[in-house]
Amino acid sequence: AQTVTQSQPEMSVQEAETVTLSCTYDTSESDYYLFWYKQPPSRQMILVIRQEAYKQQNATENRFSVNFQKAAKSFSLKISDSQLGDAAMYFCAYRKGGKLIFGQGTELSVKP
Amino acid sequence: GAGVSQSPSNKVTEKGKDVELRCDPISGHTALYWYRQRLGQGLEFLIYFQGNSAPDKSGLPSDRFSAERTGESVSTLTIQRTQQEDSAVYLCASSLVGGDGQPQHFGDGTRLSIL
Repeated sequence: AQTVTQSQPEMSVQEAETVTLSCTYDTSESDYYLFWYKQPPSRQMILVIRQEAYKQQNATENRFSVNFQKAAKSFSLKISDSQLGDAAMYFCAYRKGGKLIFGQGTELSVKP
Repeated sequence: GAGVSQSPSNKVTEKGKDVELRCDPISGHTALYWYRQRLGQGLEFLIYFQGNSAPDKSGLPSDRFSAERTGESVSTLTIQRTQQEDSAVYLCASSLVGGDGQPQHFGDGTRLSIL
């Protein structure tokens, strides 16, 4: 069965600095998708970034980028120039066959 | 509205009662998903509907849980004889089609509290 592990329950970053959130996963599949979602206190899940496993190039979305290491089954999220509005729970997720499989989440706080 | 709509936002009920949670997906989205999020945890997959295909029910935790969807519209998640461990936020998501690359758009969830 596929699993997703986020080993950092909490992280903290100074405003304007860079932070990296870790995620590892386990699968025997070769073609799949990986996602990072943000969940602020409002509860709504917001898609941050998406990576296709067959693409070697790391995805980027403005201040958000990933470091995708397929052989190591690692999918970390880098947030550059952190802003107060980035404070939230961040979930890494794997998708193959429709459903999303989520990690336990990392709570990110941003210090002014 | 433009997004996934869930109702009610909050539901408090007594142990042993049945509850129904509702999800209105984004118009035109053929795929619909239900997830459960316990306090401080990640989301757990419950069930997935794709068009007229048989739903993927592999995540339903017990036979007290069931879900229906009529066509490509509203879905209801029913929990019978609720237990305290059913307390959680229940999130619904929809996507344009069921392909793995399609992003899932989430509603704000229903917070269910079992007394």
